[in-house]
Amino acid sequence: GNSVTQMEGPVTLSEEAFLTINCTYTATGYPSLFWYVQYPGEGLQLLLKATKADDKGSNKGFEATYRKETTSFHLEKGSVQVSDSAVYFCALNAGINTDKLIFGTGTRLQVFP
Amino acid sequence: KAGVTQTPRYLIKTRGQQVTLSCSPISGHRSVSWYQQTPGQGLQFLFEYFSETQRNKGNFPGRFSGRQFSNSRSEMNVSTLELGDSALYLCASSLGGRGRGEKLFFGSGTQLSVL
Repeated sequence: GNSVTQMEGPVTLSEEAFLTINCTYTATGYPSLFWYVQYPGEGLQLLLKATKADDKGSNKGFEATYRKETTSFHLEKGSVQVSDSAVYFCALNAGINTDKLIFGTGTRLQVFP
Repeated sequence: KAGVTQTPRYLIKTRGQQVTLSCSPISGHRSVSWYQQTPGQGLQFLFEYFSETQRNKGNFPGRFSGRQFSNSRSEMNVSTLELGDSALYLCASSLGGRGRGEKLFFGSGTQLSVL
């Protein structure tokens, strides 16, 4: 079946450090891939997405590239801020005519000044 | 434009009771999905509605049900509550009808505690 695997957290970084959160997936066909972020006490917000191989999604300094050959969609940011502290979820949509998302377990990021 | 609104924000019930959660999507959105979020199981898909029809359903027991009204508002119901139903229930809406790649807009959720 379809699934998403994310690196375990928490990830603890100092401000301005480089961030990588690994995400790999298993899916039939050609899924769309997403990163959602959840701030404390809130719902999820779409951070970025990619809908086909080699697409790069980017937003707010974050970016991720859809790598079909390695079935990966790793999230990166060159310089994190304290305000980036949140839980990050990798997700895929592999269905036809459905919004159903399959999520990874989430990775908590903590950024210290 | 108002976001996705979920009510109530917090709910405390006892085992055996039933509960109804409400979700008002963004105006113009026709698709509503529900997810259960727990520390142990993470985010799991419950069901999805589009134009009042259930379009997809997750692997949850029949105690979990939902519906969508003509104005796209949605409700989910859980009957005969169990302790393991304690979770954050998230609703998400989208324009719908375009399949994969659609951006979902999530509400802040309803935190259900079953005692």
